[in-house]
Amino acid sequence: GQQLNQSPQSMFIQEGEDVSMNCTSSSIFNTWLWYKQDPGEGPVLLIALYKAGELTSNGRLTAQFGITRKDSFLNISASIPSDVGIYFCAGQVDTGNQFYFGTGTSLTVIP
Amino acid sequence: DAGVIQSPRHEVTEMGQEVTLRCKPISGHNSLFWYRQTMMRGLELLIYFNNNVPIDDSGMPEDRFSAKMPNASFSTLKIQPSEPRDSAVYFCASSLGRFQPQHFGDGTRLSIL
Repeated sequence: GQQLNQSPQSMFIQEGEDVSMNCTSSSIFNTWLWYKQDPGEGPVLLIALYKAGELTSNGRLTAQFGITRKDSFLNISASIPSDVGIYFCAGQVDTGNQFYFGTGTSLTVIP
Repeated sequence: DAGVIQSPRHEVTEMGQEVTLRCKPISGHNSLFWYRQTMMRGLELLIYFNNNVPIDDSGMPEDRFSAKMPNASFSTLKIQPSEPRDSAVYFCASSLGRFQPQHFGDGTRLSIL
């Protein structure tokens, strides 16, 4: 299967700080998704990206589809305690294929 | 809107017992996926169905695992006999089409003693 590497594996930040994380693949992807998983719950879809260079926001979250099509980035501005959780990327090689999930970035926000 | 509904939320049982996990996908979704999540291996796709038909079960670890989807609104994942290494969180997800973004249930946390 495809390998998706997420970086960093974990982050500990102060409330109010901005957060950046990324996801890289060995293959070119046509679609990128970003999910958030709260403790004890299932992943929830945050943002979907369908075009290279696309920049999409969802509140304080902004995600970008990398121009090389081998990476994607997620930024969170002015973090708050409820941002705590694990953030997963998922990528799709083409529209006729399954999604592959990254290993996740664990975010801890210190009040 | 009702999301993906999984039951039970927690299951603790002794090794050797049969375990059945249940999933009700979002109404109107044609595809259903079963995942397993562990600290060591992250999210692993076990099997997925399209229009109630199993499409790819290559992620099913071994013959002790089986999954069925008798109709569009219900699926089961069965482990028989269960082993301690099967302990994990099992997620069900559904999507409008096979290659559309998936929506996850809250999972079943399974502990095999």
